[in-house]
Amino acid sequence: KNEVEQSPQNLTAQEGEFITINCSYSVGISALHWLQQHPGGGIVSLFMLSSGKKKHGRLIATINIQEKHSSLHITASHPRDSAVYICAVPPVDDKIIFGKGTRLHILP
Amino acid sequence: DAGVIQSPRHEVTEMGQEVTLRCKPISGHDYLFWYRQTMMRGLELLIYFNNNVPIDDSGMPEDRFSAKMPNASFSTLKIQPSEPRDSAVYFCASSPSGSSDTQYFGPGTRLTVL
Repeated sequence: KNEVEQSPQNLTAQEGEFITINCSYSVGISALHWLQQHPGGGIVSLFMLSSGKKKHGRLIATINIQEKHSSLHITASHPRDSAVYICAVPPVDDKIIFGKGTRLHILP
Repeated sequence: DAGVIQSPRHEVTEMGQEVTLRCKPISGHDYLFWYRQTMMRGLELLIYFNNNVPIDDSGMPEDRFSAKMPNASFSTLKIQPSEPRDSAVYFCASSPSGSSDTQYFGPGTRLTVL
């Protein structure tokens, strides 16, 4: 049973397009993380959110705790946004679980 | 702060050898996490420490894996003996206050066991 599901697995888009990546989970959580893994392998934490919405530059993350769903949006996408985006959920009283990731490729 | 520091960045070893991976967390962070990433399984939590004490090691795959945190600024992950299926990227991360707080990842150690 996959407790964290991400969609799509792969996404190719043209520069400038609006991007949405989804994450659904089945466990009770207090917060959810969105991570970005660069082509070189480095991992950066983008957001940690427990309710509502957060915005950082062209990135927006939303979460609906009742529906157990989160989305990561990228506005005016750019080739440098090409990366793997990973959703991670720390269940209450259990260890963190990672989604399989969404591989995003933005074409110039 | 220099961020989370891991060494070595790359390690190639032969099956049966002992491998030691090192991590220096961000100063002041109380939590340290060791993760493994493979193509098949993605990212997995191996073990995490709170104030140098191991809290959950249920992700450690076998007795061949051991982790220590002798002080607040240093942790090791040891594999003895190593096997080809241990080949992966091992990440260390630290956070101020647990897995519900922002985690800061090190650059990872790419381990290849021949």
